[in-house]
Amino acid sequence: DQQVKQNSPSLSVQEGRISILNCDYTNSMFDYFLWYKKYPAEGPTFLISISSIKDKNEDGRFTVFLNKSAKHLSLHIVPSQPGDSAVYFCAATLSGTASKLTFGTGTRLQVTL
Amino acid sequence: EAGVTQFPSHSVIEKGQTVTLRCDPISGHDNLYWYRRVMGKEIKFLLHFVKESKQDESGMPNNRFLAERTGGTYSTLKVQPAELEDSGVYFCASSHFGLAGGSTYNEQFFGPGTRLTVL
Repeated sequence: DQQVKQNSPSLSVQEGRISILNCDYTNSMFDYFLWYKKYPAEGPTFLISISSIKDKNEDGRFTVFLNKSAKHLSLHIVPSQPGDSAVYFCAATLSGTASKLTFGTGTRLQVTL
Repeated sequence: EAGVTQFPSHSVIEKGQTVTLRCDPISGHDNLYWYRRVMGKEIKFLLHFVKESKQDESGMPNNRFLAERTGGTYSTLKVQPAELEDSGVYFCASSHFGLAGGSTYNEQFFGPGTRLTVL
C-alpha cells in the first residue's frame, strides 16, 4: 500500500516557464513533508520542506504548497532552468522525531531550452 | 565536511552469493538509515539505527538481510543469500540526533547509493 503517490512519472517544461510537480498522501498521521532532488548516480538531496502547520513555504525559485484537507502537496519551480532537470521525490514523515521517510515513486523533470 | 559515503558503488553477484554493503555516515550523526530503490519504484525504508541500536527495522524484507552498526559509526548491510529481487540501489542516510533549536525535523543526508545487481 503506497502511502505517498506521485502520479506523473515525467514532466517536460520549457526553460523560464513554471514547473509544477504534484504529490498525494493517504496517511493522515504525516505532518512533515519534504522534496528531494536526485541526479543520476547520486543520492537524493534535500530541496525544501513544509510542516503541516503551514500551507506554503518558499525558498528562492522553489515553493511548496500543502493542502491538508486534500492530502495534496505540490512543488513549484519558477523560473525553471536546465539545471533543474532531475528526478524529484516527495517524502512524508512525522515531525519531532527521527522517523523514516516515506517516499513517492518520483517525477522526472526535463527542462528544455 | 565529508558527506555520507557508500562502498561499493556497484556490485554484480550471482543468485545465492553473499554481498556486504558499507555506509559511513557524516561524522557526529547518530541516526543512520538504510533505504532501497528497486528500478522505477519508490525509495523504500529498510531500517534505522540510533548509534549502535536498531530503532526501527520494520522495512527489512526478510531474514536474508542483516544490518549492523558496531560502535555506532559505520554500518554494514549484508544480503545472504542474494536473490534476483534484491537487485536495486541501496541508499544510506544519516542525520543528527535531537532537534536543533526551532527545527521540527532533522534533514537526512543521503549517500550516492550502491547499485546491486543479482544475476
